[in-house]
Amino acid sequence: SQQGEEDPQALSIQEGENATMNCSYKTSINNLQWYRQNSGRGLVHLILIRSNEREKHSGRLRVTLDTSKKSSSLLITASRAADTASYFCATDAGTGNQFYFGTGTSLTVIP
Amino acid sequence: EAGVVQSPRYKIIEKKQPVAFWCNPISGHNTLYWYLQNLGQGPELLIRYENEEAVDDSQLPKDRFSAERLKGVDSTLKIQPAELGDSAVYLCASSFGSAGTEAFFGQGTRLTVV
Repeated sequence: SQQGEEDPQALSIQEGENATMNCSYKTSINNLQWYRQNSGRGLVHLILIRSNEREKHSGRLRVTLDTSKKSSSLLITASRAADTASYFCATDAGTGNQFYFGTGTSLTVIP
Repeated sequence: EAGVVQSPRYKIIEKKQPVAFWCNPISGHNTLYWYLQNLGQGPELLIRYENEEAVDDSQLPKDRFSAERLKGVDSTLKIQPAELGDSAVYLCASSFGSAGTEAFFGQGTRLTVV
């Protein structure tokens, strides 16, 4: 079974707007990662946040982590049409490199 | 540097036939994963290798699925016999080092069982 759940399942915004998607998970984690998947392609790593971190930035991406609520959010600022993709959170709860993916948020950015 | 390479990209087979997928991870990556992804869903882990050892295969349906990673490099995932419900994308990924490192994914093999 999948560890995380993203919310919303689908999101449609205008180019230039910000996009926020959330991830909730069930058990304690070591770290949480966000990945992007373009249609018909493999997943691309975006950002990793460790359990002792609360916020992380990478370019137009901002990720927050609230371990007390077992949730994370991904904010994409000033969205572009090229950001259209599915976004997945993946949690690492074990001692090794074990990634469990959520169900994904499908983002559509309208030019 | 080449990324994770998977072949074939697409495969169509009749049910009850065998099928095999091949993965070449990024050079030097000790961890290799096989995931299954159904349409509209997130990837689900099938098996994880640390070098040549399968350290997590609890989600692998062992009655029909098998995997191997010879010499701790390339890996093959096999289904025999395939069922209609096996139609999905099979993703291979690799990573290097200890826990908490990013995984690099191949483009996947889209399997259609008819």
